[in-house]
Amino acid sequence: SQQGEEDPQALSIQEGENATMNCSYKTSINNLQWYRQNSGRGLVHLILIRSNEREKHSGRLRVTLDTSKKSSSLLITASRAADTASYFCATDAFDYKLSFGAGTTVTVRA
Amino acid sequence: EPEVTQTPSHQVTQMGQEVILRCVPISNHLYFYWYRQILGQKVEFLVSFYNNEISEKSEIFDDQFSVERPDGSNFTLKIRSTKLEDSAMYFCASSETGNTIYFGEGSWLTVV
Repeated sequence: SQQGEEDPQALSIQEGENATMNCSYKTSINNLQWYRQNSGRGLVHLILIRSNEREKHSGRLRVTLDTSKKSSSLLITASRAADTASYFCATDAFDYKLSFGAGTTVTVRA
Repeated sequence: EPEVTQTPSHQVTQMGQEVILRCVPISNHLYFYWYRQILGQKVEFLVSFYNNEISEKSEIFDDQFSVERPDGSNFTLKIRSTKLEDSAMYFCASSETGNTIYFGEGSWLTVV
């Protein structure tokens, strides 16, 4: 299986701090995507990084990809209470289906 | 901003009953998917659909499941005879190119 696995499982930070979570996977990938899910809600697409890219930014989000280590990280800078959610990485291997990890639950304390 | 819409948002059904979950993908998208998430577990791939046929399906997607694109806008998932273990959040998703995949808000299915 090429499923992504996130680390840590849970993260609690103060508003204004940065949150970093990691994702590891097992086999070669085409793309890696990060999603956010608020409790009981849908999956919101955050960012896609291709296997030939090393870093991407979108607003307060920064994603890195290290294909040699089969890992990715998601950094949320200057966190806000509204960032409280579960974050998932999902990989695809040229087969147009995503394999999700178990997610990192982020709690931002006011 | 265009979005994937799903109905119903929540359905309770008796075991053994048929259920149809409906989705309207983003209008210019060509790839369509169903995923599910059992409470507290990972999001799991069920099926992908392109060019009016299934392109990939998981081992979860057995004979009790079927998908259909009955017209130019809807994409449905049918579960023929529901079981207790089918209780989950079912997500429809779509993609223009097969790369970035956008998900709907989900349909909670509770089988009793």
